[in-house]
This record gives sequence, C-alpha cells and structure tokens, in this order.
Amino acid sequence: GQQVQQSPSSLVLQEGENAELQCNFSSTATQLQWFYQSPGGSLVSLLSNPSGTKHTGRLTSTTVTKERRSSLHISSSQTTDSGTYLCAIETGSFNKLTFGAGTRLAVCP
Amino acid sequence: EAAVTQSPRSKVAVTGGKVTLSCHQTNNHDYMYWYRQDTGHGLRLIHYSYVADSTEKGDIPDGYKASRPSQENFSLILELASLSQTAVYFCASSDWDYAEQFFGPGTRLTVL
Repeated sequence: GQQVQQSPSSLVLQEGENAELQCNFSSTATQLQWFYQSPGGSLVSLLSNPSGTKHTGRLTSTTVTKERRSSLHISSSQTTDSGTYLCAIETGSFNKLTFGAGTRLAVCP
Repeated sequence: EAAVTQSPRSKVAVTGGKVTLSCHQTNNHDYMYWYRQDTGHGLRLIHYSYVADSTEKGDIPDGYKASRPSQENFSLILELASLSQTAVYFCASSDWDYAEQFFGPGTRLTVL
C-alpha cells in the first residue's frame, strides 16, 4: 500500500528560527494535507496542497507531484508552534487518507 | 463553522466487552471516516462511509464494525474489545473527493 515518510522525526528550534519539514510518498497523490496535532491531541488541517506552492500565514507548502515529495516551511517559529506535524495523502477515491508518522517540533523560548 | 463531535471523549473498557464510539457532524458532508492513532504514530483508517446506511472497510478493519444510520452520525463498534485496541480514535468528515477533512477531538480508549 501507500507509504508516507516524514523527516525529521523530531526537531528542536529556538524561537524565531525557521523549520523545514519533509514528506515523501510512494504513490502519486491526488490530495495532500498537512495537519497540526497539538500536545493535547487535537488535529487541525493546516494546508491542502496536492501540487505547487501554497502560503498561509507563516506556513509555506511546496509539493512536487512527479517527485512524490512535499515540504512545509514554518517561518519565524513561535513556542505555540510546538506539537506534531502530520502529512497525509490520498491516492484513490473517497478521499481516504494515509498518514505519515509525523514530525515532532519543539520551539524553545 | 464545520463541526465534528465525538462521544465519549475518553473511555475505559474491559477486555471482551462491547464498546461503541459515536461521531456526529454538522457539516452536511457525505463522507465520514474512523481512524485510530497509536502513541507516537500517525493515523490509520479503520472504516469509512460515503453515504448513509453504507460503510466500507479501510486499511485496518479487523475487530471493528461501523454503522452510518444517517448522514450526520457514524459509529464505531468494538464487539469484543481487546488490549490491542487501546488507542485514540478520531472521526472525520469531508465534502467530496480531494476536499479537506475535518476531524473531531478524538476519543481516548483504554482497554484493561
């Protein structure tokens, strides 16, 4: 089945530094979403980006479909950005997602 | 705003017992999903539904049943709970293929 690999598995930053998170997947994706999971466990969709570049706030996602990879850039990190970032792809029908294991981000003051 | 709610938010069950997790959405979405998350891992799809009164198996359906009695409600049923089913369970809904998925707050299930 589809595989989604995220790197790094964990990352520690000083507040104000930038972060670059990677997502590689084994099958062509018709949909790709980046999620943020808070330390308390709640999930929030950050960006839907199956191809190209998208921006929202301090987040930029770039997906190169034919190379089966996506990145999430977080600029000027804040302590409130701490949590786990999950990449998920959909390769078939009915929008069924396959998730990576996530990148755990800790931003220190 | 779109909303997906789950109940209960946490539950302790005994091995061999029956557990029902409920999900309700007010998004008017056709698609609904159940995922489980084990500590330190991503989410895995258990069951999904694209229309009321119909459910489909996801990637890890063994030991689980699902029920979709209406567009708004989607339940996950563990007929004989086992220790290995201890996890956090998330429900989600989406509008159509390729659309963003909206997740509920999760249910933490502990089977003893």
